[in-house]
Amino acid sequence: GAVVSQHPSRVICKSGTSVKIECRSLDFQATTMFWYRQFPKQSLMLMATSNEGSKATYEQGVEKDKFLINHASLTLSTLTVTSAHPEDSSFYICSASGWASTDTQYFGPGTRLTVL
Amino acid sequence: AQSVTQLDSQVPVFEEAPVELRCNYSSSVSVYLFWYVQYPNQGLQLLLKYLSGSTLVKGINGFEAEFNKSQTSFHLRKPSVHISDTAEYFCAVSETTNFGNEKLTFGTGTRLTIIP
Repeated sequence: GAVVSQHPSRVICKSGTSVKIECRSLDFQATTMFWYRQFPKQSLMLMATSNEGSKATYEQGVEKDKFLINHASLTLSTLTVTSAHPEDSSFYICSASGWASTDTQYFGPGTRLTVL
Repeated sequence: AQSVTQLDSQVPVFEEAPVELRCNYSSSVSVYLFWYVQYPNQGLQLLLKYLSGSTLVKGINGFEAEFNKSQTSFHLRKPSVHISDTAEYFCAVSETTNFGNEKLTFGTGTRLTIIP
């Protein structure tokens, strides 16, 4: 299957700083990338959908000025958590897929963010 | 809008016994159905998916699932489980469309614990 990587796998930062998480599709071109957030022992909650070269579409309740998403190429999307606070601590997972509705979403291994 | 219900949050099973993880969905339109597995501190791995055709879908690691439209169910089964199957299992749906990759809606997950 297709491979999606995320970097970093873990990050610890101080409150008020910004953190950037990268999501890369290693062996296919991802026209669509999704960003999810997962709280401990809970399901994945979709934060936003991004298509290459256009602005991300955010889910209701997700602050677009706080969670900046850039999908500059067909293999890279970034999520920047700006002015992070302890409540932003979570497991962030991205997925990537092609354009067709039948294309499978391939998930990255996730990034554990801890804000002190 | 669609929703997914996984009634069993935890399922303990003895090794080599069969298992069924239940998934029911609700949607006003046709859907695609998926089962994903998540091992501790990792992203999601696709087990199997139903897009169309045969209602019995076979996946990786010996898992299979059956789509039942009348009961709006997509239960996951394995005839004989192994210790390595211990993980969190998520059922997910997406709307069938002709354009683009639709977002996934996840259930709350079922933690499968294999007892030696």
